Amino acid sequence: EADIYQTPRYLVIGTGKKITLECSQTMGHDKMYWYQQDPGMELHLIHYSYGVNSTEKGDLSSESTVSRIRTEHFPLTLESARPSHTSQYLCASSEDDRSGQPQHFGDGTRLSIL
Amino acid sequence: SQQGEEDPQALSIQEGENATMNCSYKTSINNLQWYRQNSGRGLVHLILIRSNEREKHSGRLRVTLDTSKKSSSLLITASRAADTASYFCGSSGNTPLVFGKGTRLSVIA
Repeated sequence: EADIYQTPRYLVIGTGKKITLECSQTMGHDKMYWYQQDPGMELHLIHYSYGVNSTEKGDLSSESTVSRIRTEHFPLTLESARPSHTSQYLCASSEDDRSGQPQHFGDGTRLSIL
Repeated sequence: SQQGEEDPQALSIQEGENATMNCSYKTSINNLQWYRQNSGRGLVHLILIRSNEREKHSGRLRVTLDTSKKSSSLLITASRAADTASYFCGSSGNTPLVFGKGTRLSVIA
């Protein structure tokens, strides 16, 4: 099993709240990713980081923000949650997926905004 | 969108049968990876095929790659009920992996 952890696993919260989804990995990987997965299964890359103090937006526009202050930690924040943010969020890390190294995934956070 | 496509979207077979799922991608790639996702869990890496390879085997898995058609296939032989999951391909050029929409496989005992 890969050592990448996401908390919380489930979160039900009201509109307008600030939310932070946590993701930590103990493998020392430089590269980390956040995906949003709809109920119909498709994964969309929303943010990624290639190292400390490096963050990039992914293919899917998202109102969330990320930070990468430490190698092992890549939190995702929603400043003001809305029902449209309801989804599953998956975090992953890799040595270098561009060169064929696999991504290691956490088990996700299922977020429901009321 | 750079998203690829997988087909079929869903596949239901009997235990012992072979399962084949296909994946197409849109841009030039360095490698293509197949992943499995059990319900309520994250994705787990299965197998990698590089752009200069045409076929790879790993246990009951066989992957092919046709770069001229920008497509790949995953064959699972002698399927088991435990193979029931969703399967995704992820393609990578000089960007992070781009995942397809996935195939939902059900293996009936």
